[in-house]
Amino acid sequence: KNEVEQSPQNLTAQEGEFITINCSYSVGISALHWLQQHPGGGIVSLFMLSSGKKKHGRLIATINIQEKHSSLHITASHPRDSAVYICAVPNYGGSQGNLIFGKGTKLSVKP
Amino acid sequence: NAGVTQTPKFQVLKTGQSMTLQCAQDMNHNSMYWYRQDPGMGLRLIYYSASEGTTDKGEVPNGYNVSRLNKREFSLRLESAAPSQTSVYFCASSETQQGGVREQYFGPGTRLTVT
Repeated sequence: KNEVEQSPQNLTAQEGEFITINCSYSVGISALHWLQQHPGGGIVSLFMLSSGKKKHGRLIATINIQEKHSSLHITASHPRDSAVYICAVPNYGGSQGNLIFGKGTKLSVKP
Repeated sequence: NAGVTQTPKFQVLKTGQSMTLQCAQDMNHNSMYWYRQDPGMGLRLIYYSASEGTTDKGEVPNGYNVSRLNKREFSLRLESAAPSQTSVYFCASSETQQGGVREQYFGPGTRLTVT
């Protein structure tokens, strides 16, 4: 079973700061997911990546397959980025399509 | 496209009562999932259905049953609710990919309290 660790658990930043959230996993994977959970509770998928880097607006996700590590960066952070960011990886011990989720990083961006 | 819908949004049960959480998706996805989310813990898989007509246990199946009614609908039943089942429940769906994991689409969640 894959194990997923995220850091930090909580993060407070000032508007405009560069944010980094980290995710490490224990078993080699085909792809890693980053998700965002809004303060209202809804969960949306941000990225699915298997190598290198992906960018969507001010969000950048990177992955190092050899190091079993991924980072999510937010440039020029804004209060609307306040949310819980969750990393997830495949659970190869179970059926295909199953994910193991990290506990999340709660980000609060102050104006 | 509504995506993934769940009902109800909120529910309060007394210990021992039963209820069914409903989930439907309109994206023609083969795979559907039920998760629970508790404070300080990541999402945990209760049951999943890789395709219509099949269901399998996830990490925390005890106290729950599921039905994959058709390709669109996947319901979660609590036969005799316990306070330990107080949680937020999410349904999700995805396409199925051989050897990989596809993006999952989540419903809005059901906040369940068992007293």
